[in-house]
Amino acid sequence: GENVEQHPSTLSVQEGDSAVIKCTYSDSASNYFPWYKQELGKGPQLIIDIRSNVGEKKDQRIAVTLNKTAKHFSLHITETQPEDSAVYFCAASSYAGNMLTFGGGTRLMVKP
Amino acid sequence: GAVVSQHPSWVICKSGTSVKIECRSLDFQATTMFWYRQFPKQSLMLMATSNEGSKATYEQGVEKDKFLINHASLTLSTLTVTSAHPEDSSFYICSARRIGDNNEQFFGPGTRLTVL
Repeated sequence: GENVEQHPSTLSVQEGDSAVIKCTYSDSASNYFPWYKQELGKGPQLIIDIRSNVGEKKDQRIAVTLNKTAKHFSLHITETQPEDSAVYFCAASSYAGNMLTFGGGTRLMVKP
Repeated sequence: GAVVSQHPSWVICKSGTSVKIECRSLDFQATTMFWYRQFPKQSLMLMATSNEGSKATYEQGVEKDKFLINHASLTLSTLTVTSAHPEDSSFYICSARRIGDNNEQFFGPGTRLTVL
Protein backbone atom coordinates (compact mmCIF):
# COMPACT_ATOMS: atom_id res chain seq x y z
CA GLY A 1 0.00 0.00 0.00
CA GLU A 2 0.85 3.66 -0.06
CA ASN A 3 3.23 5.14 2.48
CA VAL A 4 3.54 8.90 2.94
CA GLU A 5 6.32 10.47 4.97
CA GLN A 6 6.28 14.11 6.01
CA HIS A 7 9.03 16.40 7.28
CA PRO A 8 9.64 18.25 9.46
CA SER A 9 7.35 17.24 12.31
CA THR A 10 7.59 20.73 13.82
CA LEU A 11 8.52 24.01 12.20
CA SER A 12 8.91 27.37 13.86
CA VAL A 13 9.26 30.51 11.74
CA GLN A 14 9.17 34.22 12.29
CA GLU A 15 6.16 36.11 10.97
CA GLY A 16 6.81 37.14 7.38
CA ASP A 17 9.23 34.31 6.68
CA SER A 18 8.50 31.39 4.36
CA ALA A 19 7.70 27.85 5.48
CA VAL A 20 8.32 24.69 3.48
CA ILE A 21 6.96 21.25 4.30
CA LYS A 22 8.00 18.19 2.32
CA CYS A 23 6.37 14.82 1.70
CA THR A 24 7.44 11.68 -0.09
CA TYR A 25 5.18 8.89 -1.27
CA SER A 26 5.83 5.31 -2.30
CA ASP A 27 3.09 4.32 -4.76
CA SER A 28 3.82 5.46 -8.30
CA ALA A 29 0.11 5.05 -9.10
CA SER A 30 -0.79 7.92 -6.76
CA ASN A 31 -2.02 10.91 -8.73
CA TYR A 32 -3.76 13.21 -6.27
CA PHE A 33 -1.91 15.11 -3.55
CA PRO A 34 -3.91 17.36 -1.22
CA TRP A 35 -2.69 19.45 1.69
CA TYR A 36 -4.81 20.03 4.77
CA LYS A 37 -4.65 22.51 7.63
CA GLN A 38 -5.99 21.34 10.96
CA GLU A 39 -6.59 23.67 13.85
CA LEU A 40 -6.93 22.38 17.38
CA GLY A 41 -10.16 20.45 17.92
CA LYS A 42 -11.30 20.81 14.31
CA GLY A 43 -11.43 18.66 11.22
CA PRO A 44 -8.88 19.01 8.42
CA GLN A 45 -9.47 21.78 5.93
CA LEU A 46 -8.26 21.45 2.35
CA ILE A 47 -5.95 24.36 1.51
CA ILE A 48 -4.53 23.28 -1.84
CA ASP A 49 -4.19 20.15 -3.95
CA ILE A 50 -2.32 19.06 -7.04
CA ARG A 51 -2.77 16.29 -9.55
CA SER A 52 -0.05 14.36 -11.25
CA ASN A 53 -0.46 16.08 -14.60
CA VAL A 54 0.69 19.36 -13.05
CA GLY A 55 4.10 20.25 -11.61
CA GLU A 56 3.18 23.32 -9.62
CA LYS A 57 0.09 25.11 -8.38
CA LYS A 58 -0.24 28.40 -6.58
CA ASP A 59 -3.02 30.08 -4.63
CA GLN A 60 -2.04 33.46 -3.19
CA ARG A 61 0.53 32.79 -0.44
CA ILE A 62 0.36 29.03 -0.81
CA ALA A 63 2.01 26.89 -3.47
CA VAL A 64 2.54 23.19 -3.99
CA THR A 65 5.16 21.53 -6.18
CA LEU A 66 5.20 17.94 -7.35
CA ASN A 67 8.13 15.86 -8.61
CA LYS A 68 6.68 12.61 -9.92
CA THR A 69 10.04 11.13 -10.78
CA ALA A 70 11.34 11.55 -7.26
CA LYS A 71 7.92 10.91 -5.73
CA HIS A 72 7.88 13.96 -3.56
CA PHE A 73 5.75 17.05 -3.19
CA SER A 74 6.10 20.17 -1.11
CA LEU A 75 3.98 22.89 0.41
CA HIS A 76 5.30 26.44 0.38
CA ILE A 77 3.77 29.21 2.47
CA THR A 78 5.14 32.68 1.91
CA GLU A 79 4.76 35.77 4.12
CA THR A 80 3.61 33.64 7.03
CA GLN A 81 1.18 35.09 9.54
CA PRO A 82 0.36 34.01 13.12
CA GLU A 83 -2.98 32.64 11.88
CA ASP A 84 -1.07 30.17 9.72
CA SER A 85 -0.09 28.38 12.93
CA ALA A 86 -1.69 24.93 12.82
CA VAL A 87 -0.92 21.33 11.97
CA TYR A 88 -0.51 20.64 8.27
CA PHE A 89 -1.00 17.22 6.70
CA CYS A 90 -0.08 16.03 3.25
CA ALA A 91 -1.86 13.08 1.67
CA ALA A 92 -1.78 10.96 -1.45
CA SER A 93 -4.27 8.81 -3.29
CA SER A 94 -4.87 7.13 -6.60
CA TYR A 95 -8.01 6.87 -8.71
CA ALA A 96 -8.02 3.14 -8.24
CA GLY A 97 -7.64 3.23 -4.48
CA ASN A 98 -9.77 6.29 -3.73
CA MET A 99 -8.56 6.39 -0.18
CA LEU A 100 -6.23 9.03 1.18
CA THR A 101 -3.01 8.09 2.95
CA PHE A 102 -1.86 10.85 5.27
CA GLY A 103 1.59 11.96 6.26
CA GLY A 104 2.45 12.28 9.94
CA GLY A 105 1.74 16.00 10.10
CA THR A 106 3.79 19.16 10.67
CA ARG A 107 3.11 21.52 13.53
CA LEU A 108 3.79 25.00 12.19
CA MET A 109 4.29 27.83 14.66
CA VAL A 110 4.52 31.36 13.36
CA LYS A 111 5.98 33.72 15.92
CA PRO A 112 4.83 37.33 15.82
CA GLY B 1 -20.57 24.22 -1.21
CA ALA B 2 -19.35 20.75 -0.16
CA VAL B 3 -20.09 21.01 3.54
CA VAL B 4 -19.93 17.98 5.82
CA SER B 5 -21.36 18.04 9.32
CA GLN B 6 -20.95 15.69 12.25
CA HIS B 7 -23.12 15.19 15.28
CA PRO B 8 -22.44 15.30 18.10
CA SER B 9 -19.32 17.46 18.21
CA TRP B 10 -18.37 15.88 21.52
CA VAL B 11 -19.71 13.11 23.71
CA ILE B 12 -18.83 11.65 27.09
CA CYS B 13 -20.09 8.19 27.94
CA LYS B 14 -19.61 5.46 30.48
CA SER B 15 -17.59 2.36 29.74
CA GLY B 16 -19.74 -0.39 28.23
CA THR B 17 -22.26 1.89 26.55
CA SER B 18 -22.70 2.49 22.82
CA VAL B 19 -22.33 5.80 21.06
CA LYS B 20 -23.59 6.79 17.61
CA ILE B 21 -21.93 9.48 15.53
CA GLU B 22 -23.63 10.93 12.45
CA CYS B 23 -21.93 12.27 9.34
CA ARG B 24 -23.95 14.26 6.83
CA SER B 25 -23.13 15.83 3.50
CA LEU B 26 -25.26 18.97 3.60
CA ASP B 27 -25.21 20.23 0.02
CA PHE B 28 -24.09 17.31 -2.09
CA GLN B 29 -24.64 13.61 -2.52
CA ALA B 30 -21.87 11.28 -1.44
CA THR B 31 -21.54 7.76 -2.76
CA THR B 32 -18.59 7.17 -0.48
CA MET B 33 -17.90 8.30 3.06
CA PHE B 34 -14.80 7.59 5.09
CA TRP B 35 -14.31 7.30 8.84
CA TYR B 36 -11.01 8.24 10.47
CA ARG B 37 -9.71 8.13 14.00
CA GLN B 38 -7.13 10.56 15.30
CA PHE B 39 -5.32 10.20 18.60
CA PRO B 40 -3.70 13.26 20.22
CA LYS B 41 -0.76 14.64 18.26
CA GLN B 42 -1.07 11.91 15.66
CA SER B 43 -2.18 11.71 12.07
CA LEU B 44 -5.54 10.58 10.74
CA MET B 45 -5.91 6.82 10.44
CA LEU B 46 -8.55 5.44 8.12
CA MET B 47 -10.90 3.07 9.90
CA ALA B 48 -13.35 2.18 7.16
CA THR B 49 -14.80 3.12 3.80
CA SER B 50 -18.55 3.30 3.57
CA ASN B 51 -20.49 3.02 0.31
CA GLU B 52 -24.17 3.84 0.13
CA GLY B 53 -26.30 0.74 0.18
CA SER B 54 -23.49 -1.73 0.77
CA LYS B 55 -21.36 -3.04 3.60
CA ALA B 56 -18.46 -0.96 4.79
CA THR B 57 -14.89 -1.99 4.09
CA TYR B 58 -12.77 -1.98 7.23
CA GLU B 59 -9.04 -1.40 7.46
CA GLN B 60 -6.83 -4.04 8.93
CA GLY B 61 -6.98 -4.09 12.70
CA VAL B 62 -10.35 -2.33 12.96
CA GLU B 63 -13.05 -4.53 14.51
CA LYS B 64 -16.17 -4.37 12.38
CA ASP B 65 -18.35 -5.70 15.20
CA LYS B 66 -17.18 -2.94 17.49
CA PHE B 67 -17.36 -0.06 15.02
CA LEU B 68 -20.66 -0.46 13.19
CA ILE B 69 -21.04 1.65 10.08
CA ASN B 70 -24.28 2.31 8.26
CA HIS B 71 -24.56 4.32 5.04
CA ALA B 72 -28.29 4.33 4.48
CA SER B 73 -28.56 7.29 2.14
CA LEU B 74 -26.44 9.42 -0.15
CA THR B 75 -26.15 12.09 2.53
CA LEU B 76 -25.84 10.18 5.80
CA SER B 77 -23.41 7.71 7.30
CA THR B 78 -23.33 6.67 10.95
CA LEU B 79 -20.60 5.17 13.09
CA THR B 80 -21.65 3.33 16.24
CA VAL B 81 -18.98 2.52 18.80
CA THR B 82 -20.38 -0.46 20.66
CA SER B 83 -19.44 -1.35 24.22
CA ALA B 84 -17.09 1.59 24.38
CA HIS B 85 -13.99 1.44 26.56
CA PRO B 86 -11.54 4.17 27.63
CA GLU B 87 -9.10 3.13 24.89
CA ASP B 88 -11.78 4.07 22.33
CA SER B 89 -11.52 7.69 23.45
CA SER B 90 -10.38 9.60 20.41
CA PHE B 91 -11.28 12.21 17.80
CA TYR B 92 -13.45 10.64 15.10
CA ILE B 93 -13.59 12.40 11.74
CA CYS B 94 -15.66 11.57 8.69
CA SER B 95 -15.21 12.67 5.12
CA ALA B 96 -17.34 12.40 2.01
CA ARG B 97 -16.63 12.13 -1.69
CA ARG B 98 -19.04 13.75 -4.13
CA ILE B 99 -20.64 11.71 -6.88
CA GLY B 100 -18.51 12.13 -10.00
CA ASP B 101 -15.49 13.54 -8.16
CA ASN B 102 -12.13 11.86 -8.36
CA ASN B 103 -10.28 11.45 -5.09
CA GLU B 104 -11.25 14.73 -3.39
CA GLN B 105 -12.72 14.30 0.09
CA PHE B 106 -14.53 16.88 2.18
CA PHE B 107 -14.02 16.53 5.90
CA GLY B 108 -16.39 17.00 8.79
CA PRO B 109 -15.48 18.95 11.93
CA GLY B 110 -14.88 15.81 13.99
CA THR B 111 -16.41 14.27 17.12
CA ARG B 112 -14.50 14.08 20.36
CA LEU B 113 -15.39 10.85 22.20
CA THR B 114 -14.40 10.44 25.83
CA VAL B 115 -15.16 7.13 27.52
CA LEU B 116 -15.01 7.16 31.32
